[in-house]
Amino acid sequence: KAGVTQTPRYLIKTRGQQVTLSCSPISGHRSVSWYQQTPGQGLQFLFEYFSETQRNKGNFPGRFSGRQFSNSRSEMNVSTLELGDSALYLCASSLSGASEKLFFGSGTQLSVL
Amino acid sequence: KQEVTQIPAALSVPEGENLVLNCSFTDSAIYNLQWFRQDPGKGLTSLLLIQSSQREQTSGRLNASLDKSSGRSTLYIAASQPGDSATYLCAPGSYNTDKLIFGTGTRLQVFP
Repeated sequence: KAGVTQTPRYLIKTRGQQVTLSCSPISGHRSVSWYQQTPGQGLQFLFEYFSETQRNKGNFPGRFSGRQFSNSRSEMNVSTLELGDSALYLCASSLSGASEKLFFGSGTQLSVL
Repeated sequence: KQEVTQIPAALSVPEGENLVLNCSFTDSAIYNLQWFRQDPGKGLTSLLLIQSSQREQTSGRLNASLDKSSGRSTLYIAASQPGDSATYLCAPGSYNTDKLIFGTGTRLQVFP
């Protein structure tokens, strides 16, 4: 059974640009959540999608957005990139949400120059 | 607001030692608590999930306990090996927020 796949693995952007990250969950999993990890702030919750609907949201500005498709694949978009957006972005999938075991992808390392 | 603290922040031990990693949380209204390990630059791997109704959960050399009323969980690693070197994170799932809140982790190094 394939695990959670995140693409791309590495990304370098400049300030002001926008970026889209992709996450393919484990087959059959309907919940996808996104996290930002930085050395200073640790792992912070961005949002969760379930059946194409955003079910939960963290405390991030509106520049961070996401969506989920009918096949449960999810994308995350960050517009008007700032230096502070440099981080490892992780997605996790589960059958139905945080009450169950979460499976993480390897992440996308985003560097904003 | 759920706050999660992990002690110690870092640990360096010789191979073969039995280890205890601590996790404390402020909001006891949780439905479960998960322990993860993370290797440098990689994603997280789920180790154990304890439901709020359980007291402990075991997998191989790992044993996790949960005391919900006191807001504590402990991960016990028996007979540590160099391959156990990683960062270990705990994450309680809160009813109030319906999401996992992660601690800052314990960075473990096991040397031969």
